[in-house]
This record gives sequence, C-alpha cells and structure tokens, in this order.
Amino acid sequence: DAGVIQSPRHEVTEMGQEVTLRCKPISGHNSLFWYRQTMMRGLELLIYFNNNVPIDDSGMPEDRFSAKMPNASFSTLKIQPSEPRDSAVYFCASSSQGWGYTFGSGTRLTVV
Amino acid sequence: KQEVTQIPAALSVPEGENLVLNCSFTDSAIYNLQWFRQDPGKGLTSLLLIQSSQREQTSGRLNASLDKSSGRSTLYIAASQPGDSATYLCAVDSAGNQFYFGTGTSLTVIP
Repeated sequence: DAGVIQSPRHEVTEMGQEVTLRCKPISGHNSLFWYRQTMMRGLELLIYFNNNVPIDDSGMPEDRFSAKMPNASFSTLKIQPSEPRDSAVYFCASSSQGWGYTFGSGTRLTVV
Repeated sequence: KQEVTQIPAALSVPEGENLVLNCSFTDSAIYNLQWFRQDPGKGLTSLLLIQSSQREQTSGRLNASLDKSSGRSTLYIAASQPGDSATYLCAVDSAGNQFYFGTGTSLTVIP
C-alpha cells in the first residue's frame, strides 16, 4: 500500500487565488481527516468524513474553506480566496474504525 | 471535550540514556491511544497504537504503556540515539474515530 497520498507537496500562491489540496486515503479506510499545522497553533482538526459523509466541520476556520469527498478514494480541501494567514502545512489522514491514523506527507502552503 | 497534555515540552539527553515521555488525558473513556513521531518539515509517523483493552505495546527500543484509570500514557525509549531526535506526539481517540492531539515533546539526543 502506498499510504495516504497528498498533492501537491508544496504550493505557493498569491493572495486571493483559489487553492485546491488533494488527498487519496488508504484503500479500505472509512474515515478521512484534514488537519492544519502551524507553529503557533499546532495540529488543528479542520474536518473529518466517515464513509464519505462530512461528520464534523466545526474546525473549518471560515467560509473560505470547503472540503469534499466525492468517493471513498478521493478528497479535496479548497480555499477560496486564499489569504497569507492560511499559510501552513495541511495534512490528510485516514483510518479504519478504532485502528489509528495514517498520515500523508502533507502539503506546505505559502500564500504571498 | 478531551484534553491531552504532554510534559515536558522539550527534552535534551545524552546519547545512550533511557528516557520517558509523558502524556495525560482528562477523559478516561478512550478507544485507543497512538504515539507519533514527527521530524522537522515532515509528516507524522505512527510509532505505537495501544487499544483500550491493552496495557502496553512494544516495538524495538520503544515501549508505550497505558493506564486509563489515571489518564496517563508513557513512551519509554531505551538506549537513545541521535536519530531519535524529533517531536513526539500523543493522540487519544475518545469517540471511536476522532483523535485529540497533545502539543508534543521535542526530543534532542546529543551525540
């Protein structure tokens, strides 16, 4: 298994532009999580899906952020419009109920 | 809401020492607990997963224990090496599929 795959690894964009982050979870895992990590705030859970359905999006900072999971093998996190304060590392993780997380390598987003 | 605390925030030890990292949580009704390692600029690598029915798990030089009643877990690293230098994160699953993370312990092993 290739693990959780995220793309792109790095993204540099200008303020106001739309950014789309992508994640392919491990096959057979029924839950998917999006996290954001910064030095100041550590790891923050943004949203998680169970069986492709969003369960808790209370961590999504504002309406500029949206996430979708159209099928069991793909999810996107979109920021529109992006702002410099969105600069962070965004991680995707997947799990099978009660068996712990597997994290992707992350996407380092820089908004200038 | 589950709160997870890791002490100390940073630790520096000479190579070869045995060391213990601590994790405490406020709600003892957990499904499992997972220890991760994160190297600078990298993702999180799972080290050990302890199910709620287990007391400990071992992998190589690592041993993690779990005491649900007291809300504590420890990660024991034997014979530390410079390659063990990283941030270690503890995560607690309280609801069957939602983990709460501690803020981590930054470990430096001095050659």
